[in-house]
Amino acid sequence: AQSVTQLGSHVSVSEGALVLLRCNYSSSVPPYLFWYVQYPNQGLQLLLKYTSAATLVKGINGFEAEFKKSETSFHLTKPSAHMSDAAEYFCAVSDRGSGNTGKLIFGQGTTLQVKP
Amino acid sequence: SQTIHQWPATLVQPVGSPLSLECTVEGTSNPNLYWYRQAAGRGLQLLFYSVGIGQISSEVPQNLSASRPQDRQFILSSKKLLLSDSGFYLCAWTTAGTGLNSPLHFGNGTRLTVT
Repeated sequence: AQSVTQLGSHVSVSEGALVLLRCNYSSSVPPYLFWYVQYPNQGLQLLLKYTSAATLVKGINGFEAEFKKSETSFHLTKPSAHMSDAAEYFCAVSDRGSGNTGKLIFGQGTTLQVKP
Repeated sequence: SQTIHQWPATLVQPVGSPLSLECTVEGTSNPNLYWYRQAAGRGLQLLFYSVGIGQISSEVPQNLSASRPQDRQFILSSKKLLLSDSGFYLCAWTTAGTGLNSPLHFGNGTRLTVT
């Protein structure tokens, strides 16, 4: 069965600093991985997805993530944090054991705080 | 383009009252539909999903039920709400048959508070 673990429920950075949000996955088959962002009282918005085409995936809002099979990781980064990046971030993996139902399994989320 | 609508945005209901949350998708046909719940400080828990009209799969035993009376309509219901049903409910869709690398697209959610 697939699963994802997000390391750190809260991350705090200064404006302009590097953002690093950690996600490790567990999967017996090549995974499909996603990062979503959620602003307060809103739904989830897709940031980027990994589908085996390239290990470095670029997404919206300047975010990118690198798939590292040897480390079973898919960490999300952004070189310079903006105040508007403050939100909750979720890592997710496709549930490949459920047929073609499209279900995603989500991590517990990481709240990113950006300090001025 | 495709859009997803959820309503109401917020809801306060007493314990024991019924519940009906509605979700509709526009601009696509035969989507896969999902209801997730997000409790305070916790991740997203998949409650139900549907791959077609009248086809509902439940992921966890609970006080809630789901129905899909039309292709692009997904309803979450309860006959009698419990305090533990409080949370943020999110509806999502994806294009059926496009493979496991298709992302989910989420609505803006309903904040339910059971008092």
